Amino acid sequence: GQQLNQSPQSMFIQEGEDVSMNCTSSSIFNTWLWYKQDPGEGPVLLIALYKAGELTSNGRLTAQFGITRKDSFLNISASIPSDVGIYFCAGHNNNDMRFGAGTRLTVKP
Amino acid sequence: GAVVSQHPSRVICKSGTSVKIECRSLDFQATTMFWYRQFPKQSLMLMATSNEGSKATYEQGVEKDKFLINHASLTLSTLTVTSAHPEDSSFYICSAPTPGGTEAFFGQGTRLTVV
Repeated sequence: GQQLNQSPQSMFIQEGEDVSMNCTSSSIFNTWLWYKQDPGEGPVLLIALYKAGELTSNGRLTAQFGITRKDSFLNISASIPSDVGIYFCAGHNNNDMRFGAGTRLTVKP
Repeated sequence: GAVVSQHPSRVICKSGTSVKIECRSLDFQATTMFWYRQFPKQSLMLMATSNEGSKATYEQGVEKDKFLINHASLTLSTLTVTSAHPEDSSFYICSAPTPGGTEAFFGQGTRLTVV
């Protein structure tokens, strides 16, 4: 299915640095979701956003639902080695769900 | 929180045989489930949308007769890879949106290897 535009594709950062990634779409979504996938496993839901403009935190993770409902960003503060993985954004409307291509994060100790 | 269970996590099969993968929503009913395929270092590719009590909706380019989907109950969808070939080897993942469609949870994934 049609994918969202997620950037960057990959990031190589030093432990302790902050990370930011974002997703944009040409369509409006009612819900934005951010997932993390570890190798060989299914994606795990990190944060769900339900309202335009909503800013939600989950520990060191912060995500925002864009005002236009066509974009979202995810920030990770003070990265640690276990943050390594692929992060996916998803826009969700009822039974229609679209994914970004993923951001592969590498954290150097 | 809501849990989606996928089984088996790994399977190795011979060329020409069929493999069934199950996806269960453990604590909520799912009228819809999604099936994805993921190649190494790539994103999730939607294969089909499974609809309880009716036919699945397949994405363009996905062979319906090769990837059989059955959604017989509100908590179970199955994907059967028929007459498997080595090129079918991949990571297959299901997901299910919660009632109201506000969130979606993924199964653990199934690593299929066809030899």
